[in-house]
Amino acid sequence: GENVEQHPSTLSVQEGDSAVIKCTYSDSASNYFPWYKQELGKRPQLIIDIRSNVGEKKDQRIAVTLNKTAKHFSLHITETQPEDSAVYFCAASKVIKAAGNKLTFGGGTRVLVKP
Amino acid sequence: SQTIHQWPATLVQPVGSPLSLECTVEGTSNPNLYWYRQAAGRGLQLLFYSVGIGQISSEVPQNLSASRPQDRQFILSSKKLLLSDSGFYLCAWRQRAKANEKLFFGSGTQLSVL
Repeated sequence: GENVEQHPSTLSVQEGDSAVIKCTYSDSASNYFPWYKQELGKRPQLIIDIRSNVGEKKDQRIAVTLNKTAKHFSLHITETQPEDSAVYFCAASKVIKAAGNKLTFGGGTRVLVKP
Repeated sequence: SQTIHQWPATLVQPVGSPLSLECTVEGTSNPNLYWYRQAAGRGLQLLFYSVGIGQISSEVPQNLSASRPQDRQFILSSKKLLLSDSGFYLCAWRQRAKANEKLFFGSGTQLSVL
């Protein structure tokens, strides 16, 4: 099955600096890569996703890159703000016929933005 | 609009007691349903998923079971809880008609087995 590794497990940055989280996946058939943000005590929520037919996607201060050959993808947060403090999860999935898709999550990165 | 309800929010149970966590989805039909567990400081582990009534797929062997008695109802159960069952349990749903669409998570149940 799919295996997703995520690094680092914790990341502390100064407000205004950039944060980068990296993930690798094992199944070359995976074609969908979402990122979820989980604030303390709350449910995970999708913040951005990328499909295998593109290499980069940006939404305001957040960008994701995908390298299919190397099987890794990254989340970039620029101009970090205190409200960016949370746990971030990467995930990978592929469509499994008649069974929908199953997201395999990375272990999470706890991001702390220091004011 | 679609909503997902999960209860209870917190639960403290003794070892060996039974468990029943319930999740319901409103505003959609034929959803794919999922149960995830999040151990403290760890990632999200998929436990079960269902693509229809009575159809359950288990991802990891464990002390838990799942059932889907109705289209929008997903139940996580155990006959006898273990200490290792402690964790944060999240129910989630996805539209079956669309491939790779995002998951919507419930608010979670914090289970402590003592």
